[in-house]
Amino acid sequence: SQKIEQNSEALNIQEGKTATLTCNYTNYSPAYLQWYRQDPGRGPVFLLLIRENEKEKRKERLKVTFDTTLKQSLFHITASQPADSATYLCALRDYKLSFGAGTTVTVRA
Amino acid sequence: DVKVTQSSRYLVKRTGEKVFLECVQDMDHENMFWYRQDPGLGLRLIYFSYDVKMKEKGDIPEGYSVSREKKERFSLILESASTNQTSMYLCASSLSLGSSGNTIYFGEGSWLTVV
Repeated sequence: SQKIEQNSEALNIQEGKTATLTCNYTNYSPAYLQWYRQDPGRGPVFLLLIRENEKEKRKERLKVTFDTTLKQSLFHITASQPADSATYLCALRDYKLSFGAGTTVTVRA
Repeated sequence: DVKVTQSSRYLVKRTGEKVFLECVQDMDHENMFWYRQDPGLGLRLIYFSYDVKMKEKGDIPEGYSVSREKKERFSLILESASTNQTSMYLCASSLSLGSSGNTIYFGEGSWLTVV
């Protein structure tokens, strides 16, 4: 069956450090992968998209990698700030868009 | 900016009631979606629609139906609400989900409690 797994439900890091989140998938052949941010009680907001033929994408302090051989995407937040505290979701597009359960990041000042 | 508006933020309904969740988008998007989100389970797709009067079942359609009479409006209907439908419901819209990878825009969510 198809599955999207994101590493540990919660990640606690010190301000200024890099947070690395993992998204692994099985039985998908996604054309692209997206990352979303969700704040408590709010809907998810799109952050980044990376296509199957791209290895890496950057946006400000965010970096995403996509390895279709390993069936894995890594999401990095560099120089993290308390304002980065949120839940981050990965999503894969097969014939529809499917989401992982998310990883909650807490950045301590 | 794209705006996806869900009509009710918080609802409390009784078991067996018929419940309507309304969603409107203002960007002329072809696709509209209803997800529910539960702790530890992530977002699960209930139904989606790629055109007016068209609908497709998602992963968990049982107990739900949808209506899309106009392009901008997508309604989720719980025919007979049950306590296991207590959840946060998220409406979303997008342009075509082709290989170009269009973004999905979400509403703020509707918290439904069935008692």
